[in-house]
Amino acid sequence: GENVEQHPSTLSVQEGDSAVIKCTYSDSASNYFPWYKQELGKRPQLIIDIRSNVGEKKDQRIAVTLNKTAKHFSLHITETQPEDSAVYFCAASPSGGSYIPTFGRGTSLIVHP
Amino acid sequence: DSGVTQTPKHLITATGQRVTLRCSPRSGDLSVYWYQQSLDQGLQFLIQYYNGEERAKGNILERFSAQQFPDLHSELNLSSLELGDSALYFCASSPQGQTRVNTEAFFGQGTRLTVV
Repeated sequence: GENVEQHPSTLSVQEGDSAVIKCTYSDSASNYFPWYKQELGKRPQLIIDIRSNVGEKKDQRIAVTLNKTAKHFSLHITETQPEDSAVYFCAASPSGGSYIPTFGRGTSLIVHP
Repeated sequence: DSGVTQTPKHLITATGQRVTLRCSPRSGDLSVYWYQQSLDQGLQFLIQYYNGEERAKGNILERFSAQQFPDLHSELNLSSLELGDSALYFCASSPQGQTRVNTEAFFGQGTRLTVV
């Protein structure tokens, strides 16, 4: 089955700095890569996603890049703010079958004011 | 609000007991996933149901079982509970499989289970 590795497990930055979280996946059949943000005690919520036919996608301060050949994708957050502090999960989902998203172990992002 | 409802929000029970967690998916979603999130752990996939039938199994213990009913709500049954089963249990739903395009999974607020 799919295996998703996510790094780093913890990321501490100063407000205004950029943050980058990296993930790798193993199943070449995966074609959908969502990123979820989970604030303390709350449910994971989608913040951005990318499909395998696209190399990069941007939404305001958040961008995601995908390298299908190397099987890795990354989340970039620019001009970080304290409210960006949360746990971020990457996931990979195959193109058929049960479409089950496999999640990475999460990155705890701490943005210091 | 994701449209996915989970009850109860909190549950405290003793070791050896049995509990049932309930999930109502978003209107129209046929796929329901259950995930377990332990302290400092990611989201571990347990099981998926699609339109009433089991579609896939992950790292689900034999003491755990689930089902999806004709009205599409799902229940996760946890029995012979151990201290290590204490975790946040999430249900998610999506229209996966109803179209040929992958889409996001919508999560409920979770049920926090504490086994004492």
